[in-house]
Amino acid sequence: GAGVSQSPSNKVTEKGKDVELRCDPISGHTALYWYRQSLGQGLEFLIYFQGNSAPDKSGLPSDRFSAERTGGSVSTLTIQRTQQEDSAVYLCASSLFSLRENDLDTQYFGPGTRLTVL
Amino acid sequence: ILNVEQSPQSLHVQEGDSTNFTCSFPSSNFYALHWYRWETAKSPEALFVMTLNGDEKKKGRISATLNTKEGYSYLYIKGSQPEDSATYLCASNRDDKIIFGKGTRLHILP
Repeated sequence: GAGVSQSPSNKVTEKGKDVELRCDPISGHTALYWYRQSLGQGLEFLIYFQGNSAPDKSGLPSDRFSAERTGGSVSTLTIQRTQQEDSAVYLCASSLFSLRENDLDTQYFGPGTRLTVL
Repeated sequence: ILNVEQSPQSLHVQEGDSTNFTCSFPSSNFYALHWYRWETAKSPEALFVMTLNGDEKKKGRISATLNTKEGYSYLYIKGSQPEDSATYLCASNRDDKIIFGKGTRLHILP
């Protein structure tokens, strides 16, 4: 079946512009996660959705970052007034169950969006 | 500890040899420990999810153990093959967050 898809695969933008990254999770997956990997760093958790709601938004790096999920499916991660330090690969993952439920919450990752802020 | 720590950071292993590496995580408010395999230019691929103290999981030549009381997990690879070359990530569910370690980069030498 179809896996997690993300678009665009690459995005180059100028400092100060807004960008929107999209994630299409696996159909029927309750939970959706956003991560980023900056150059030379590990995976950084940003936010996770259980259905359409995000229990904890404290992982978002700044108030320029926001995310939403509608209809329990597609999610968008928006970065306003991009800065050079926002350059990273943004990964989305989905899992059948949410973080607080049993051990069947294996995450399936999308291919990522490589964001470059000039 | 508050973070997820993995060691070693990098490892070179001769093809055919067995190896193991460690993930340490906060033992408080623990829900689950995940291991992922991340090959260059690909997405992370889930290997194991473990929740109970003493859990052991196996997938082919790769296995993992979990100690939730002391906050560590080991990943073992038996008879390393070139295709095992990748970064191995562990992650811990804690409250409403998932925290990843920085990974162990495994290089298999022919």
